[in-house]
Amino acid sequence: AQKITQTQPGMFVQEKEAVTLDCTYDTSDPSYGLFWYKQPSSGEMIFLIYQGSYDQQNATEGRYSLNFQKARKSANLVISASQLGDSAMYFCAMRVMYSGGGADGLTFGKGTHLIIQP
Amino acid sequence: DVKVTQSSRYLVKRTGEKVFLECVQDMDHENMFWYRQDPGLGLRLIYFSYDVKMKEKGDIPEGYSVSREKKERFSLILESASTNQTSMYLCASSLAGQGTAGELFFGEGSRLTVL
Repeated sequence: AQKITQTQPGMFVQEKEAVTLDCTYDTSDPSYGLFWYKQPSSGEMIFLIYQGSYDQQNATEGRYSLNFQKARKSANLVISASQLGDSAMYFCAMRVMYSGGGADGLTFGKGTHLIIQP
Repeated sequence: DVKVTQSSRYLVKRTGEKVFLECVQDMDHENMFWYRQDPGLGLRLIYFSYDVKMKEKGDIPEGYSVSREKKERFSLILESASTNQTSMYLCASSLAGQGTAGELFFGEGSRLTVL
């Protein structure tokens, strides 16, 4: 079974500092996708970034980058120059495709509550 | 703009009641999902569907059923609500054929309290 582990329940970071949110995963499938979502206090889930297992380069989206270390099975999210609006829950997730087709839902970690302090 | 709409943001029900949570998406997505979110447990997949009338169990299907009679609508049913089903329920959809990619689009969530 696929599993996502986020070891940081909460983090406090000073505004403008860079933040690294940890995520490790476990799967025996060679083809998989890794996602990060942000959930502000309002509750909506906002997609941030995606990394495919066969992608040669680390994914980047604006201030977000994904530090993908395949051998270590880690997919840490890096937020550069943090802002007060980055305060939220952050979830790491993984999708695995079944060879038989159909769809599989994302498997989520338990999340990290990030608080940016002024 | 893509949209996943959940019928109720907040519900309060009594133990033993039958509860329907409705979800509608306007993106013509094949795949739809129901998750529940609890503090410290993250999001857990209850059921998903990849086509009309098709459904697959997720990680925690016990006590739930689903219905997908139309492509745009995916309903979660609690046949006899219990207090341990008090939770936030999130509906999501995604486009098929994306391989391992294909982000999920989420609704705003339905917070259910069972008394």
